[in-house]
Amino acid sequence: GNSVTQMEGPVTLSEEAFLTINCTYTATGYPSLFWYVQYPGEGLQLLLKATKADDKGSNKGFEATYRKETTSFHLEKGSVQVSDSAVYFCALSDKKGNTGNQFYFGTGTSLTVIP
Amino acid sequence: DSGVTQTPKHLITATGQRVTLRCSPRSGDLSVYWYQQSLDQGLQFLIQYYNGEERAKGNILERFSAQQFPDLHSELNLSSLELGDSALYFCASSFRGMNTEAFFGQGTRLTVV
Repeated sequence: GNSVTQMEGPVTLSEEAFLTINCTYTATGYPSLFWYVQYPGEGLQLLLKATKADDKGSNKGFEATYRKETTSFHLEKGSVQVSDSAVYFCALSDKKGNTGNQFYFGTGTSLTVIP
Repeated sequence: DSGVTQTPKHLITATGQRVTLRCSPRSGDLSVYWYQQSLDQGLQFLIQYYNGEERAKGNILERFSAQQFPDLHSELNLSSLELGDSALYFCASSFRGMNTEAFFGQGTRLTVV
């Protein structure tokens, strides 16, 4: 079956530190992979995505590379800001297209960035 | 703004009651998903509809039910409410394409007292 495992939190970093949040997946077939971010009091927003092996998704300084050989999609940012404090969710979609994709989410990793 | 609209934003009700949460998906999106988010259990998938038909079921209690109407909006009905049902309930929608993402609404915060 399909599943996503991501790094347990919470994660606390100082401003300008390097961020890595690990995500690995199990899937039948070739899923699309996503990172979502949830700011306090809000819904989940798409941060970035990758739809095939070796694709790199990037947005707002965050990036993640779809690694089929290691079934991973780790989120990285070179220099975090206080405004990056949020909960980050890794997810995959099974690409069923015309019958409706199913999405599988990790448990979320809470990030706090301190000045 | 994701284009997914959920109403109401907040709901306070007593144990044993029944409530209905409403979701309007983005224009053109055929899939609607419902999720429950509580502090101790993360994001739990409840149910998915695609073009009016139930597509997948997750950890949805028998006291909960949902439907998707011909105009594609969806409703989640929660009955015989218990204190433990207090949570954020999110609706998401997605288009029919294989590589599309899910777009989330702002959620309905349900408090059962």
